[in-house]
Amino acid sequence: GDSVTQKQGQVTLSEDDFLFINCTYSTTTYPTLLWYVQYLGQGPQLLLKVTTANNKGISRGFEATYDKGTTSFHLQKASVQESDSAVYFCALANTNTGKLTFGDGTVLTVKP
Amino acid sequence: EAAVTQSPRSKVAVTGGKVTLSCHQTNNHDYMYWYRQDTGHGLRLIHYSYVADSTEKGDIPDGYKASRPSQENFSLILELASLSQTAVYFCASSDGDRGSNYAEQFFGPGTRLTVL
Repeated sequence: GDSVTQKQGQVTLSEDDFLFINCTYSTTTYPTLLWYVQYLGQGPQLLLKVTTANNKGISRGFEATYDKGTTSFHLQKASVQESDSAVYFCALANTNTGKLTFGDGTVLTVKP
Repeated sequence: EAAVTQSPRSKVAVTGGKVTLSCHQTNNHDYMYWYRQDTGHGLRLIHYSYVADSTEKGDIPDGYKASRPSQENFSLILELASLSQTAVYFCASSDGDRGSNYAEQFFGPGTRLTVL
């Protein structure tokens, strides 16, 4: 079945630092790769998606890319702000079933 | 206006008791989902439904039942709650699994369930 590995459990940065979060995935389908963000006390919300067709997604200063050769996908932001503090999940959408498989999440703390 | 709402937002239950978590959506979506989130882990799919009066098993359905009486409402039922079911439960809706054109899932705020 599908699987997603997200090893960075916690990341602490200062404002204006560069953010990079990495996930690896395994699937037998052509995946749609997603990044969800969860703010304290809220449900996850879609931040970005990237497909094998477009290779890259950009939203709110975040950029998502994927590398088919290493079956990995990445979330990056050039300059984080305190308001970016949240939990970031990578996820894989199975294009046959539509089901989501989530990584374990990365808790991002941005210090002012 | 919140499009996916959940009730209750928090609940304490006793082991062996029955628990019902409710979800209501105003997105006019056909698909609804129930996930659980354990501390330090991602969300895992329990049950989902793509039409009223029908439910499907997700990846971890054991110990849970689901009910979809209407397009707008989807319930998760724990007939005999156990300590291991302490978690945060999220409901979500989408307008379908479109294959390569992923249909975004919209999540509710979650229900924190503690089983003692």
